[in-house]
Amino acid sequence: GENVEQHPSTLSVQEGDSAVIKCTYSDSASNYFPWYKQELGKRPQLIIDIRSNVGEKKDQRIAVTLNKTAKHFSLHITETQPEDSAVYFCASPDTGGFKTIFGAGTRLFVKA
Amino acid sequence: GAGVSQSPRYKVAKRGQDVALRCDPISGHVSLFWYQQALGQGPEFLTYFQNEAQLDKSGLPSDRFFAERPEGSVSTLKIQRTQQEDSAVYLCASSATSGRANEQFFGPGTRLTVL
Repeated sequence: GENVEQHPSTLSVQEGDSAVIKCTYSDSASNYFPWYKQELGKRPQLIIDIRSNVGEKKDQRIAVTLNKTAKHFSLHITETQPEDSAVYFCASPDTGGFKTIFGAGTRLFVKA
Repeated sequence: GAGVSQSPRYKVAKRGQDVALRCDPISGHVSLFWYQQALGQGPEFLTYFQNEAQLDKSGLPSDRFFAERPEGSVSTLKIQRTQQEDSAVYLCASSATSGRANEQFFGPGTRLTVL
């Protein structure tokens, strides 16, 4: 089955700096890679996703890159703001069934 | 429009009690997922429904866990004879189409505490 590993577990940046979070996956047949943001006490919400037929996708200050050969994908947040502080989860479907496997999460702190 | 809702938001149970957690997905959504989220961890898959059919229950940790979605809309997760290790936030998510390669819309979760 699919295995997803996420790094780092904690990331602290100064406001205005960039933040990068990386995930690796094991199932070479995986074809969908979402990123979810979860603020403290709130529900996870999708912020960006990418499918395996493209290598990069951008939406304003956030972008996701995918390297299928190396089986990893990364979340990039530029010009970070205090409201970006949250836990970010990557995910990947287990193509053997209907599971979605989530990473353990990265707690991002943006210092003003 | 209305998002995914869950009830109750908080549940305290004594060890050995049975609990039932409800999920109301977005109207018309085909797919429904249940997850268990322990403190400081990512959501862990429990089970998946496509309309009323439970197509994957491989994540249910024991036979004390049971889920149903009899009419293809509202779903209930039941935990029998609760144990302390069942304490977690239970998240429900729905998706407009079948399969797992689509955006999932999460509910606020039910925080279960087993004493």
